Amino acid sequence: GENVEQHPSTLSVQEGDSAVIKCTYSDSASNYFPWYKQELGKRPQLIIDIRSNVGEKKDQRIAVTLNKTAKHFSLHITETQPEDSAVYFCAGGGSYIPTFGRGTSLIVHP
Amino acid sequence: DGGITQSPKYLFRKEGQNVTLSCEQNLNHDAMYWYRQDPGQGLRLIYYSQIVNDFQKGDIAEGYSVSREKKESFPLTVTSAQKNPTAFYLCASSIEFGGNEQFFGPGTRLTVL
Repeated sequence: GENVEQHPSTLSVQEGDSAVIKCTYSDSASNYFPWYKQELGKRPQLIIDIRSNVGEKKDQRIAVTLNKTAKHFSLHITETQPEDSAVYFCAGGGSYIPTFGRGTSLIVHP
Repeated sequence: DGGITQSPKYLFRKEGQNVTLSCEQNLNHDAMYWYRQDPGQGLRLIYYSQIVNDFQKGDIAEGYSVSREKKESFPLTVTSAQKNPTAFYLCASSIEFGGNEQFFGPGTRLTVL
């Protein structure tokens, strides 16, 4: 089955810096790559997603890039703010069965 | 108020007892999922259902069972065969199976005493 590796497990940045979280996947049939944000004590919520026919997608301060050849995709957050502090999960899925990464705890220091 | 709900929020169980976690959605979604969340482990798929009256095992189905008799309901039973059941359980749904945004419930924290 699919294997999704996510790095780093913890990321600490100063407010205003950029943050990058990377994920790799194993199943070349995977074609949908969402990113979820889970704030402390809350449910995960989708923040951005990308499909395999697109190399990059942006939504204000958030962007995702996909490299199908290398089987990796990344989440980029620019101009980080304290409210960006949360756990972020990437996901992939061959045959559409969702497989999540282990999560990255992002801490933004004011 | 549309969405996906789970109950109860907290659940305590004695060893050897089965317990059922509720998950309901009024989003008219075909697909539903159950995940287990442990610290540092991400979200691990227990069971999923592509459509009513159908369900499939996920990565960690041992010791769990589900049913999907109604489109809006996907209850999860944690049986006494589950060796380490204490965890946070999340239910999710999507409009169709695969390649779509999943909407998560608020979760149930199960503690085995």
